[in-house]
Amino acid sequence: NAGVTQTPKFRILKIGQSMTLQCTQDMNHNYMYWYRQDPGMGLKLIYYSVGAGITDKGEVPNGYNVSRSTTEDFPLRLELAAPSQTSVYFCASSYPEGGVETQYFGPGTRLLVL
Amino acid sequence: AQSVAQPEDQVNVAEGNPLTVKCTYSVSGNPYLFWYVQYPNRGLQFLLKYITGDNLVKGSYGFEAEFNKSQTSFHLKKPSALVSDSALYFCAVRDVRSGGYNKLIFGAGTRLAVHP
Repeated sequence: NAGVTQTPKFRILKIGQSMTLQCTQDMNHNYMYWYRQDPGMGLKLIYYSVGAGITDKGEVPNGYNVSRSTTEDFPLRLELAAPSQTSVYFCASSYPEGGVETQYFGPGTRLLVL
Repeated sequence: AQSVAQPEDQVNVAEGNPLTVKCTYSVSGNPYLFWYVQYPNRGLQFLLKYITGDNLVKGSYGFEAEFNKSQTSFHLKKPSALVSDSALYFCAVRDVRSGGYNKLIFGAGTRLAVHP
């Protein structure tokens, strides 16, 4: 299994541009998550999904959108990029293990908005 | 409010010495606790978790963590550090309000530097 894969690895955006961060998992996990990681901070949850067709907001959803049309894919959309969205973005998926979901993370996408 | 604190930004230890990375938490009810490690330019990797039972939890790469309910702590430990253990370590607690999915609250991370 490839696990959780993310593309691109790095991207520079101009203010106001849009882009989609891709996330795919091949472990048949129902739950998927998007986080952002800022320097010196822990991860903050942007959006999550409990299955195909079902998504919900996390702690910091403003400026982002998601969709979940399949179990495997969970893309994150930035519509109007702002410098505050400069961050490292991690996608994760999870399944129940010992009664509690364990999250497995992708390698991340580094985004710079100038 | 639920929270996780990692009081040390960085921990320095000599190779071969024992290491401890500290974590304290604040949640209502019984906590579900996790440790993750992040190597440079990589995603987070799961190390271990505590749900219930034995207070000493063993995980990957020789790491273990001790749950202490009275001190609300979940410190990560390893008897003999390796240079390759140098990385960023995150403690996390499950948000008890998260219902059927595992929403995690992460600490800010502790950078572990193991010197030869």
